[in-house]
Amino acid sequence: DAKTTQPNSMESNEEEPVHLPCNHSTISGTDYIHWYRQLPSQGPEYVIHGLTSNVNNRMASLAIAEDRKSSTLILHRATLRDAAVYYCILRDPTGANNLFFGTGTRLTVIP
Amino acid sequence: DSGVTQTPKHLITATGQRVTLRCSPRSGDLSVYWYQQSLDQGLQFLIHYYNGEERAKGNILERFSAQQFPDLHSELNLSSLELGDSALYFCASSKQPNGRETQYFGPGTRLLVL
Repeated sequence: DAKTTQPNSMESNEEEPVHLPCNHSTISGTDYIHWYRQLPSQGPEYVIHGLTSNVNNRMASLAIAEDRKSSTLILHRATLRDAAVYYCILRDPTGANNLFFGTGTRLTVIP
Repeated sequence: DSGVTQTPKHLITATGQRVTLRCSPRSGDLSVYWYQQSLDQGLQFLIHYYNGEERAKGNILERFSAQQFPDLHSELNLSSLELGDSALYFCASSKQPNGRETQYFGPGTRLLVL
């Protein structure tokens, strides 16, 4: 799987929007961009995924650059429950389904 | 609640011992994956089973083995345990074994080897 680069940590104030960046300059044309997060003392959970177009769901939005070499996960109003490690993962839809977790971004939400 | 269950939640054992971790996938999911999360290595893929057959292996030690039973639950066996095997072990499940599928993770088993 192609590699991704994320900042080690970020902070946000509660109720403020958060933009979590991910660089993936070696992404292939068929790779999907997936985001998972891991809340403290829990297993990872799926957040959102996309291919080319921006995507929205009840948890977050995903903004994908036109050249697909980077993407941004957007939490519109951070809550204390959003404090977690966020992982950006590239997935080949025809390849093996195991997930490669990098180091992720640890998001701290300040009340 | 992801629908994936793992037992036990916690396990404390001694070096040299053998333990078995159990995972029940979500209803209808045929794939089960095992991951290890340690402080120094992060989350690492160990092994993937689909409908009873091994599909992929990751960084799984020879002392570790797994299987998936006809009822689709899976067990991860860890033997000749060492201090470095202390970690969180997660299982995840999905319907199909391809890269389109979302994986749903269980709450994990925390293993402490003393």
